[in-house]
Amino acid sequence: DADVTQTPRNRITKTGKRIMLECSQTKGHDRMYWYRQDPGLGLRLIYYSFDVKDINKGEISDGYSVSRQAQAKFSLSLESAIPNQTALYFCATSDSMNTEAFFGQGTRLTVV
Amino acid sequence: DAKTTQPPSMDCAEGRAANLPCNHSTISGNEYVYWYRQIHSQGPQYIIHGLKNNETNEMASLIITEDRKSSTLILPHATLRDTAVYYCIVRVAYTGNQFYFGTGTSLTVIP
Repeated sequence: DADVTQTPRNRITKTGKRIMLECSQTKGHDRMYWYRQDPGLGLRLIYYSFDVKDINKGEISDGYSVSRQAQAKFSLSLESAIPNQTALYFCATSDSMNTEAFFGQGTRLTVV
Repeated sequence: DAKTTQPPSMDCAEGRAANLPCNHSTISGNEYVYWYRQIHSQGPQYIIHGLKNNETNEMASLIITEDRKSSTLILPHATLRDTAVYYCIVRVAYTGNQFYFGTGTSLTVIP
């Protein structure tokens, strides 16, 4: 079983719909991250959390919100999806020593 | 602002060493150099990291210049499965916040 699990793996949604991407981890890590990747580009940080009560904006947080429901769970929401949010989304975790990050397999989101 | 500069693409013959360069001329004294790779839209995978000494693990070697302004990731015997995008990242370990990814180097291993 994967250490970092993202659901769904693929999703097509319509403009204006609310959608939630979920991430769960079995690493026991405190720190969790959400990134998006557009074709031909690197990963850009959306939000990150260092603890259950801690939420921080990344480079591109506009249009997104997150919830850290438990140490193991970090969900990303698009309140009103728009086509330029079509991208590959990755969740990642790291421990408090922060030496390396572990990534999920990604969620491919298409907004039509 | 980009903290690292990498060539956009490189080729390497199968079985040969792949040497991937990275420039990080503004690196601070407490920043480490990390390398990750991403194989065909999968989640990025950690390879190696170092501060100033050269490092080696089962996947690769990391050579950091004495002035720490550049580094080279070496895959000693490249295989077709090493075809991926390789990201060089500088960040403060242990207390640093995010991992900032640039656009990386797309390595193609040629049979």
